Amino acid sequence: GQQLNQSPQSMFIQEGEDVSMNCTSSSIFNTWLWYKQDPGEGPVLLIALYKAGELTSNGRLTAQFGITRKDSFLNISASIPSDVGIYFCAGRRRPNFGNEKLTFGTGTRLTIIP
Amino acid sequence: DAGVIQSPRHEVTEMGQEVTLRCKPISGHNSLFWYRQTMMRGLELLIYFNNNVPIDDSGMPEDRFSAKMPNASFSTLKIQPSEPRDSAVYFCASRPRQQETQYFGPGTRLLVL
Repeated sequence: GQQLNQSPQSMFIQEGEDVSMNCTSSSIFNTWLWYKQDPGEGPVLLIALYKAGELTSNGRLTAQFGITRKDSFLNISASIPSDVGIYFCAGRRRPNFGNEKLTFGTGTRLTIIP
Repeated sequence: DAGVIQSPRHEVTEMGQEVTLRCKPISGHNSLFWYRQTMMRGLELLIYFNNNVPIDDSGMPEDRFSAKMPNASFSTLKIQPSEPRDSAVYFCASRPRQQETQYFGPGTRLLVL
């Protein structure tokens, strides 16, 4: 099935650094979601975006819904050790819950170097 | 509060055997999702149910896969016969009515030899 392209695939950063990752698609999505997956666990929803151009924050996390509706961005400020994990974007074509199908990105693995 | 419960957590089986994965969603949630995660294909939706009724099973890879939800508190994903390429982590998730968040279970790690 289709996947959303995420970049970078992996990041190695030092604690305290800011992190930026993005997700792109060749087609339009009307809802963008960002998830985090810790080792051995299922993904957990971080942020949901519903409008093109929308900028939403959740603590140190900020995500944006791209104007073209074909991309989204996630930023993490002042990274801490518990930010380690895999971050997934996900898109849904319809803006409501009538179409539940989510397309997930390929993931960005974040590692913090001691 | 108990989250989504999946069993078994790990399963190792031989090719050709039947595999049954189980899921207990969070009480009160009316949507249930089965996902498969592999390195090659990432996280894929297999099937989802609303109010115990299958809504979209277009992600089910082939006839060897079947899913049921006999009541609001239990669902199964069955693979018969299993093949090595079915090796993956299978997640179950549930969602409350008209809310965005899907709550994922811890997953079942399946290895088919």
